[in-house]
Amino acid sequence: ETGVTQTPRHLVMGMTNKKSLKCEQHLGHNAMYWYKQSAKKPLELMFVYNFKEQTENNSVPSRFSPECPNSSHLFLHLHTLQPEDSALYLCASSQDGGRRVRSPLHFGNGTRLTVT
Amino acid sequence: AQSVTQLGSHVSVSEGALVLLRCNYSSSVPPYLFWYVQYPNQGLQLLLKYTSAATLVKGINGFEAEFKKSETSFHLTKPSAHMSDAAEYFCAVSAGAGANSKLTFGKGITLSVRP
Repeated sequence: ETGVTQTPRHLVMGMTNKKSLKCEQHLGHNAMYWYKQSAKKPLELMFVYNFKEQTENNSVPSRFSPECPNSSHLFLHLHTLQPEDSALYLCASSQDGGRRVRSPLHFGNGTRLTVT
Repeated sequence: AQSVTQLGSHVSVSEGALVLLRCNYSSSVPPYLFWYVQYPNQGLQLLLKYTSAATLVKGINGFEAEFKKSETSFHLTKPSAHMSDAAEYFCAVSAGAGANSKLTFGKGITLSVRP
């Protein structure tokens, strides 16, 4: 398998549930990202990891908790979410990240999250 | 600080017609500029990028964009639209160095292609 893979593709969860989104990249990249895409709004950068170290947390609420065990895997743990958190969550990777955003991002197909 | 402006949210063209999607940027230092495309139910895919080499950049699927510093623009064009070009298009800018380097996306433009 190549590129960036995200699972699950769709997720419906209640506000009291705990769930996790998974992302895996097979491109040998050093940096991984979580973005939130809501309708009619620009992509919102949530977190950046470079060589497994978190280099950016864009004022994301603590109900979103990222985890990056290695350069190929990225998780987003979710708990006590709100309905306004419903969105498409995109994972991306790049060859260099954090400090020099020169190489393009490679995106997964996203997880469509609905919070009820 | 840097920003991207994509005026309008929707462009509709006939099949075979010229496609022009506008992007203006703001940056205090020389920028890197990108166009991404998002097809339904998919993530974003790189169309092309400008990284301070040639000002006319050719991308995939027949798209190209021209960097015009005097106009702070990076408009995306395609001479002849195809039905498969219907998608959402995002312009993005990256400027600065070190910890100040960030990638900022525009709001996106939806392109519709009429038969």
